[in-house]
Amino acid sequence: GAGVSQSPSNKVTEKGKDVELRCDPISGHTALYWYRQSLGQGLEFLIYFQGNSAPDKSGLPSDRFSAERTGGSVSTLTIQRTQQEDSAVYLCASNSDRNTEAFFGQGTRLTVV
Amino acid sequence: AQSVSQHNHHVILSEAASLELGCNYSYGGTVNLFWYVQYPGQHLQLLLKYFSGDPLVKGIKGFEAEFIKSKFSFNLRKPSVQWSDTAEYFCATLTGGGNKLTFGTGTQLKVEL
Repeated sequence: GAGVSQSPSNKVTEKGKDVELRCDPISGHTALYWYRQSLGQGLEFLIYFQGNSAPDKSGLPSDRFSAERTGGSVSTLTIQRTQQEDSAVYLCASNSDRNTEAFFGQGTRLTVV
Repeated sequence: AQSVSQHNHHVILSEAASLELGCNYSYGGTVNLFWYVQYPGQHLQLLLKYFSGDPLVKGIKGFEAEFIKSKFSFNLRKPSVQWSDTAEYFCATLTGGGNKLTFGTGTQLKVEL
């Protein structure tokens, strides 16, 4: 596609429910990132996929968070048993290699009530 | 661990005023440096980047940044801001052999008419 696409754009969920957030990167981009943007907290790195290498999961805040990238393209970020502190905008980005800019999607605004 | 510091969290300027936003990073080795901007309701987009060469980098919309290795800084500047520059600005680094973008907490810029 022309850009990084994320869905849904907004998600309201009840505390304790599981949610899945989807990211469709730019076609041909081998690297895919997930970040979380909270008010006053900047951009928090969550996870990074590069080609067929093992993902860098060092930013995932707890074991309730997981992510997959199927076929080297679409990625799903799953949050189990959501908590109110999970409320944030979840951003996905992709690039073709480390010497190019990362392109960001519009984000998914998650609200846990 | 690498870190990025942005000194100003909120900046308010009048149109035509000059802008300088501070950015310092902690890593002493090879770095790639970026400034991203997020206009209200829009996704993050690249303003400018530094990989090597001339430490004074020109970006879009009249922005520039200077890489000063001795000060571990990459400050963003614009000689004369416009109302349309109202946005949040993020400094980011990519260090060593890694491919993980580390962001600062962002600076909210408001330009008043």
